Amino acid sequence: RKEVEQDPGPFNVPEGATVAFNCTYSNSASQSFFWYRQDCRKEPKLLMSVYSSGNEDGRFTAQLNRASQYISLLIRDSKLSDSATYLCAVNPGNSGYSTLTFGKGTMLLVSP
Amino acid sequence: EAGVAQSPRYKIIEKRQSVAFWCNPISGHATLYWYQQILGQGPKLLIQFQNNGVVDDSQLPKDRFSAERLKGVDSTLKIQPAKLEDSAVYLCASSLVRDRGRAANYGYTFGSGTRLTVV
Repeated sequence: RKEVEQDPGPFNVPEGATVAFNCTYSNSASQSFFWYRQDCRKEPKLLMSVYSSGNEDGRFTAQLNRASQYISLLIRDSKLSDSATYLCAVNPGNSGYSTLTFGKGTMLLVSP
Repeated sequence: EAGVAQSPRYKIIEKRQSVAFWCNPISGHATLYWYQQILGQGPKLLIQFQNNGVVDDSQLPKDRFSAERLKGVDSTLKIQPAKLEDSAVYLCASSLVRDRGRAANYGYTFGSGTRLTVV
């Protein structure tokens, strides 16, 4: 099992739709979780952290399920500008430092 | 706040040549990372520095890759000799870390990357 796994997509959704992505991780000792957004030919940018209690930022909601070892990202009322690749990142927690392991990313395409 | 600076933005070299990339992290960020991102993949860690010391270089192909951060600020990543499979985007990132395990709560800030093509 890979350390961090994501469905590569693409997820094709119309504007206004709600879409959700999951990301599974293999190390149950993992400590910190993040969602990054990466536009085509650009660097990843931090979208949001994922806390045990969940985290909401406008149209975006991130959840952590430690029992099943996955994190999720929910996007409501999708905009054309949400089209991007969404990377999940996990601190495996085995080095004591902040090293993040990334998934391959899930591509989202929002159409008019 | 100035972001993470990287140069060059693009580089095309022939296989077996050498190449170097430069990174200047956000001021005050003690931890610096070099990641390799191959097309269609997520970023893969090559090396992590804490100030000027190496914390993790377990995935760095040391027979051809080297990196240094002599004064705990700027860093360079070198490939010598390059192979076709080294074609990728090389991303530098920095984070604010003072204690073990705490930086992850802040996430990273990435530079715009260097796109390397080996022909």
